[in-house]
Amino acid sequence: KNEVEQSPQNLTAQEGEFITINCSYSVGISALHWLQQHPGGGIVSLFMLSSGKKKHGRLIATINIQEKHSSLHITASHPRDSAVYICAVRWRDTGNQFYFGTGTSLTVIP
Amino acid sequence: NAGVTQTPKFRVLKTGQSMTLLCAQDMNHEYMYWYRQDPGMGLRLIHYSVGEGTTAKGEVPDGYNVSRLKKQNFLLGLESAAPSQTSVYFCASKKNEKLFFGSGTQLSVL
Repeated sequence: KNEVEQSPQNLTAQEGEFITINCSYSVGISALHWLQQHPGGGIVSLFMLSSGKKKHGRLIATINIQEKHSSLHITASHPRDSAVYICAVRWRDTGNQFYFGTGTSLTVIP
Repeated sequence: NAGVTQTPKFRVLKTGQSMTLLCAQDMNHEYMYWYRQDPGMGLRLIHYSVGEGTTAKGEVPDGYNVSRLKKQNFLLGLESAAPSQTSVYFCASKKNEKLFFGSGTQLSVL
């Protein structure tokens, strides 16, 4: 069964800390997405990766295709970064469907 | 440009009742998706559509029907609601590998 696994499930950090959230997947993918779900429930897309690394502000996403692993890093974390971060993949053999990890719940304490 | 709009935001149904959730997008996207989100699980695909007039089953389609009569609208129907369909439902659209989500519908079936 194709799987997407995220770690850790829950993460608490002090404001200013460097944060890493991990995503591993089981088979070849066409694309990997990082999403952010705010406490109110809304979901926004942060990054789409098929190789390498992307950066947007304090957020950095990397992917290692050979190791089937992606990381989302947050530098200089802030309480407003508190949210659930979700990894989603589009498997190479399932076309337009996405499969989602269970999410990492991040709390940043002032 | 409103993005992806879901209605209603909240609904309580009795077992056996029917209802329709509406998803509307004004971005002219071809791909649209219906997901459900349950505690401890990743978003799971119910049905999806790759264009006007086409629909396909996702991971958990049983008990749901969909229609895409107009490109901008993707309807999710529950013909006879069951308590197992209590969940938060998200609609999404996709263009150029970027996902756009609606704000979600919290459905309770008593």
